[in-house]
Amino acid sequence: SQKIEQNSEALNIQEGKTATLTCNYTNYSPAYLQWYRQDPGRGPVFLLLIRENEKEKRKERLKVTFDTTLKQSLFHITASQPADSATYLCALGVNQGGKLIFGQGTELSVKP
Amino acid sequence: GAVVSQHPSWVICKSGTSVKIECRSLDFQATTMFWYRQFPKQSLMLMATSNEGSKATYEQGVEKDKFLINHASLTLSTLTVTSAHPEDSSFYICSVRRTQGDYSNQPQHFGDGTRLSIL
Repeated sequence: SQKIEQNSEALNIQEGKTATLTCNYTNYSPAYLQWYRQDPGRGPVFLLLIRENEKEKRKERLKVTFDTTLKQSLFHITASQPADSATYLCALGVNQGGKLIFGQGTELSVKP
Repeated sequence: GAVVSQHPSWVICKSGTSVKIECRSLDFQATTMFWYRQFPKQSLMLMATSNEGSKATYEQGVEKDKFLINHASLTLSTLTVTSAHPEDSSFYICSVRRTQGDYSNQPQHFGDGTRLSIL
């Protein structure tokens, strides 16, 4: 069956450290993958997009990798800040009219 | 500024009532909008793809007669939950995507959601 799995546990880290979130999938062949941030009671906000032929993308303190052999994407936040505390969602682009399939999200908490 | 406006943000109503939720694209014309539902601590589940000027495409298991979608203009899609019951209580979110260019180059822009509570 098709599955998308993110870190099942909430992630708690100290301010200044690097947060690493994982997104694993099975029985999908995504053309691209996106990461979103969601704050409580709000809609998701787009962060980064990476295509199947790209290994790595960076934007300021954010970095995402995409390994289609391992069927995994890693999302890194360097020099983390308490303001980075939120739920992070990965989403697979399955190329059917731009449809996205979302993982369940990982809740990140950055302590000062 | 906001790209997508969703209204209302919060509604409480009695069982059996029909509730309409609006999703407006503020920045660009959108031939395609998406409607999602999210239960607490769970993922966004795509309900349907709303296509301007034509019928919506519903995901498997979503009742089209229960969740009516109308996409009458390039900037407005509406979702009507008909004869709502307590099990329909959820967080409903819409999104829009620029239709120019290929899909692999376009993020989705989300509204801030509608919290629906059916008593």
